[in-house]
Amino acid sequence: DGGITQSPKYLFRKEGQNVTLSCEQNLNHDAMYWYRQDPGQGLRLIYYSQIVNDFQKGDIAEGYSVSREKKESFPLTVTSAQKNPTAFYLCATSRQGQETQYFGPGTRLLVL
Amino acid sequence: KQEVTQIPAALSVPEGENLVLNCSFTDSAIYNLQWFRQDPGKGLTSLLLIQSSQREQTSGRLNASLDKSSGRSTLYIAASQPGDSATYLCAVSLYYSSASKIIFGSGTRLSIRP
Repeated sequence: DGGITQSPKYLFRKEGQNVTLSCEQNLNHDAMYWYRQDPGQGLRLIYYSQIVNDFQKGDIAEGYSVSREKKESFPLTVTSAQKNPTAFYLCATSRQGQETQYFGPGTRLLVL
Repeated sequence: KQEVTQIPAALSVPEGENLVLNCSFTDSAIYNLQWFRQDPGKGLTSLLLIQSSQREQTSGRLNASLDKSSGRSTLYIAASQPGDSATYLCAVSLYYSSASKIIFGSGTRLSIRP
């Protein structure tokens, strides 16, 4: 069945540790996005990718890294440089040239 | 810089009432405006998308309007039900491209009392 999957649902990070959030889609969409949502706030764009092997920084890219080796996958790594990583992370996709974005179920990252 | 504001941050109404959620944006040069629904701990679901050339869109009990000149949009929910309880987010797209920039408001948390 078609859609966007994010895993894990909950992720715990220790101090100084890098962690990777998975985002997979089978919608055949070209563009993929990562957003961060903090309590009571809207979404802020971390990174986005319009095509395989290409990605651009969003508004809050510091402390994060991404890769886009396959059309279906856009993993996000939260590095130790990100000092306040606790948040809800949402992955989204859209068709090339289309505006509507479709969202995954999200991953909640907590710091131990 | 484009800013999107949603007031109030939270709203509680009894079941059956009609209600209006508000969204305002500072720069009228938008490509479209979208309303999303978010349930607790979940992703976003698109409800309605209004292109900049349109004034309103309807889907079932939902009606969204857009007034670009005044920088305002409203989401009207008719005959509210407990299942409508969720956070409603407004978002504007700044330009047309293959990966458009979308600015989100912080949302209105809606609670419908049975």
